[in-house]
Parts: sequence; structure tokens; C-alpha cells
Amino acid sequence: GQQVMQIPQYQHVQEGEDFTTYCNSSTTLSNIQWYKQRPGGHPVFLIQLVKSGEVKKQKRLTFQFGEAKKNSSLHITATQTTDVGTYFCATPPGGTTDSWGKFQFGAGTQVVVTP
Amino acid sequence: EAQVTQNPRYLITVTGKKLTVTCSQNMNHEYMSWYRQDPGLGLRQIYYSMNVEVTDKGDVPEGYKVSRKEKRNFPLILESPSPNQTSLYFCASSPNTPPDGNTEAFFGQGTRLTVV
Repeated sequence: GQQVMQIPQYQHVQEGEDFTTYCNSSTTLSNIQWYKQRPGGHPVFLIQLVKSGEVKKQKRLTFQFGEAKKNSSLHITATQTTDVGTYFCATPPGGTTDSWGKFQFGAGTQVVVTP
Repeated sequence: EAQVTQNPRYLITVTGKKLTVTCSQNMNHEYMSWYRQDPGLGLRQIYYSMNVEVTDKGDVPEGYKVSRKEKRNFPLILESPSPNQTSLYFCASSPNTPPDGNTEAFFGQGTRLTVV
């Protein structure tokens, strides 16, 4: 089954508001990745986090890897209509000791933005 | 241009009729995999391959086969499709590097399969 749990599954956001999506694992992760899938599109890589407590920013997106490397978050500030889509976290091969070789994705957070 | 190419993009077939979805990448990636995407379930890995002639089951392999005879190609085979295999399928490739290296996955455009 899936190694990482994502919450919330669905997020309805007013344009200009902030929101956060979370990814949690029961096991320690070597690294974690985030992807975005626009409606009707395919997943596109956003970022990879490797170090404990790592924080990376991409414009209005802030990605964080927990100190224990068991959770991660994606925070979007001042949401825009271009942020619409589904955001996935993923554990690449070698990312967990008990699923080595598998590339596993969370169930995703579907984001809807209203103007 | 670096890309993963899947064909066909759309397919409607009947129960039991064998089909193959092709996947090809031009980035010399070692790792390739197939996923199915269903509402509320995210991307579930069907099969993966870490290199030529090396394949292994993902989380939902039942009813599917794969082969990796060449590095660039990784076809997905449904020997006897059933309606519960109606789904959106994605192929992806990535380099085989240590966990702290770049393992970014590149996805194909997807194949929407309907089995009636």
C-alpha cells in the first residue's frame, strides 16, 4: 500500500488565501518529492527534499521536510487560479527501507481556487 | 527535447482482448514505471524496472505484464483486460541515483483506457 498519507484530500481555496497540504509517513524517509498535476495533465516534478528540517521556496510555494524525516508540507501563499491542480508527495526508490525499488505517491490534494 | 512518449492516448476496448500500451523515453534513464490513476486513490504503481531485463511488481500488479528488453522502452501489457482496469495510465522514467541524488520522475502524457 501507499507509504505516505496526504491530507487534506480536497482543498477549496479563495483566491489570495494561503493553504497547506501535508504528507505523513509511518517510516523514516530518505527523501521526499512533490509533484503538481494540472487538470487533464500529467504530474510534473516540483522539488525534492533530502535533509532533516530542510525548507525550500519556489516563489509562493514553501516546502518543508520534518526534523524526523517522517513528514513534509507544501504551503502556498496568496493562492492564484494558476495553482489549481492536484499536488502529490512521493517517495522515490530507496526512499524507505521497506519498499526499496518502489516509487510511491500519496493520494494527492486536489486544489480548487475560486476567484 | 527530453520526453516520455506513451501510445495510444485514448483506447476503448472490450473485455478479454489483449492490448499493449507503449512507453518510450529518450533520456537514457535506468528506472521506468507504470502507474494507474483513479479518483481518490492517487497514483498507484503497477510495475517498475530498475534497468534492462530487471522488472518488479509495484503495489497493484494483478492483471498486468511488462517487459524491458531495451533501455528506452517499457510496454504495459494487459493480456485479458477487464472493466476494473478502466483507468488513466501513466508511464514515467527517472535516473537511478542514490536517494540523495536527483531522482526526478518524468511522466508521459497518459493513456485513458476504457474496458467495456
